[in-house]
Amino acid sequence: GIQVEQSPPDLILQEGANSTLRCNFSDSVNNLQWFHQNPWGQLINLFYIPSGTKQNGRLSATTVATERYSLLYISSSQTTDSGVYFCAVNTGNQFYFGTGTSLTVIP
Amino acid sequence: SAVISQKPSRDICQRGTSLTIQCQVDSQVTMMFWYRQQPGQSLTLIATANQGSEATYESGFVIDKFPISRPNLTFSTLTVSNMSPEDSSIYLCSYGLAGLGEQFFGPGTRLTVL
Repeated sequence: GIQVEQSPPDLILQEGANSTLRCNFSDSVNNLQWFHQNPWGQLINLFYIPSGTKQNGRLSATTVATERYSLLYISSSQTTDSGVYFCAVNTGNQFYFGTGTSLTVIP
Repeated sequence: SAVISQKPSRDICQRGTSLTIQCQVDSQVTMMFWYRQQPGQSLTLIATANQGSEATYESGFVIDKFPISRPNLTFSTLTVSNMSPEDSSIYLCSYGLAGLGEQFFGPGTRLTVL
């Protein structure tokens, strides 16, 4: 099956800092999503982004499908941004989740 | 997007017992999915549940261990049978817009098996 690798695996930021999370996938995909899993385990939809760039407040995402990667940008990070960020890709048969990036924002 | 809920939100169970997790969506959806997230790990798809047919299980998951029901287009259940401590995980249900489109997840069921 498709491999979905995220980097970095762990990230610690000072509040107010910016960061870039990366998602690499090994084969063509139909679509891609970014999720934030909060400390209570709930998955929150951030972006549905098969290609191109989207922005939502302090967050933005870019997917370059031809080069098989996606980036999630977090600007002016806040402690509430802490948690695990997952990308997930759809190959047409099912969703495959990435390995995740664990983000800790310290005040 | 439709609201999706799960019951129970968490449970602590004894080994050898079974637990049924319910997933409810407030509008009709074609495809529902069940995932397992073991501690510190990513999500792994258990099965796809379509109304009116048997669930389709992914490699490594079998119907005897994880029986699934899908009686209508708004509801599904997952049973974790004959539990062992290795079954301690978060179990999540989801649905996809237009089948395999954008996915939305329930809040999850945190299961601990002693």
